[in-house]
Amino acid sequence: GAVVSQHPSRVICKSGTSVKIECRSLDFQATTMFWYRQFPKQSLMLMATSNEGSKATYEQGVEKDKFLINHASLTLSTLTVTSAHPEDSSFYICSAYEPGLPSYEQYFGPGTRLTVT
Amino acid sequence: GNSVTQMEGPVTLSEEAFLTINCTYTATGYPSLFWYVQYPGEGLQLLLKATKADDKGSNKGFEATYRKETTSFHLEKGSVQVSDSAVYFCALSSQGGSEKLVFGKGTKLTVNP
Repeated sequence: GAVVSQHPSRVICKSGTSVKIECRSLDFQATTMFWYRQFPKQSLMLMATSNEGSKATYEQGVEKDKFLINHASLTLSTLTVTSAHPEDSSFYICSAYEPGLPSYEQYFGPGTRLTVT
Repeated sequence: GNSVTQMEGPVTLSEEAFLTINCTYTATGYPSLFWYVQYPGEGLQLLLKATKADDKGSNKGFEATYRKETTSFHLEKGSVQVSDSAVYFCALSSQGGSEKLVFGKGTKLTVNP
């Protein structure tokens, strides 16, 4: 089946630093990738949608200068949290979609737990 | 805009009990509906889906029927197991996998032996 990986699975960084999270589709080419954020005991909220070779589309209220998304290839998208602060601590999950796969399904990565101290 | 309202938990059941988790939605047009499951420490996995009215999605003993007249997609299982303990999310997408998913808040299920 379609597999999506994320790296790292956990990261701790100091306030003010930047951290990059990678999302890879391992056995298919993802024309579209989505980045979600999940707060403890809450649902997933979409942050942005990225299409390969295009600028990401951010949801209302998401700071595009703070959460930089790059989808440089059909198998890799990256989320960079710039100048991280403790309130950015969260669980970040990506998903990927490719038209040739079974319809109406996004495949999710295992998530990255970010802790900002 | 589109939204999903999901029964809030937590839900605690004994093994072999019947499970229902309610989910209703608000959307324009004809959305696709999904149930995802998140086991402890893991990412989301698609449990089942339905893409049009009256479709029934099923997997691993779980079922949900797309009811357009009641805008609902309730999840059911006749006999739960301890291994079903997880968080369950109802979600919709307006145009299938290429469009963003809107999630409910999730329902944590704990099944005791």
